[in-house]
Amino acid sequence: KNQVEQSPQSLIILEGKNCTLQCNYTVSPFSNLRWYKQDTGRGPVSLTIMTFSENTKSNGRYTATLDADTKQSSLHITASQLSDSASYICVVSAHSGAGSYQLTFGKGTKLSVIP
Amino acid sequence: DVKVTQSSRYLVKRTGEKVFLECVQDMDHENMFWYRQDPGLGLRLIYFSYDVKMKEKGDIPEGYSVSREKKERFSLILESASTNQTSMYLCASGGQGLLAGVYNEQFFGPGTRLTVL
Repeated sequence: KNQVEQSPQSLIILEGKNCTLQCNYTVSPFSNLRWYKQDTGRGPVSLTIMTFSENTKSNGRYTATLDADTKQSSLHITASQLSDSASYICVVSAHSGAGSYQLTFGKGTKLSVIP
Repeated sequence: DVKVTQSSRYLVKRTGEKVFLECVQDMDHENMFWYRQDPGLGLRLIYFSYDVKMKEKGDIPEGYSVSREKKERFSLILESASTNQTSMYLCASGGQGLLAGVYNEQFFGPGTRLTVL
């Protein structure tokens, strides 16, 4: 069964500090991994996407890494801001035959950035 | 910019009522999805549609039905609402048919928080 596990479940950091969120997956056959940011009361918005051949991708202060061998990904946030307070969801896509795909969602990490 | 809108942000219904949640997207996407999101459980797929009048069950379809009469509109129907259907409902759209390619991003609406009393 395809699974995506995220850690920690929640995290509190001071404004200006860095943090790293983890995503471990057992999804096969792997297609891509995407990180979403979900602000409170809003729908998720894509931050980065990585395919099998990519091991790092940046989007401003967000840097995602992928180790396809160990099936792990991380999302690193640099110089955190209050606006980074949100839930971060890891989503892994698997090929499911006939050109279609299946998404497996992690439960998310809730990040709180405090002044 | 892709825009996915949902008919209501907040909705309160009584047990046994029939509930319609509507979703509209403006990007001509063929795929549309309905999820529910609950604390500690994350996003779970209820139903999806890859074309007009086509629908597929997701992971938790029980108690729900869907309708896709037009490409841009995907409705979620709770035939007889129950308290365990109190949740945040998220609609998403993305991709062109089943052959969505590797970059199969889904664009989400703002969500409808449904409370069933």
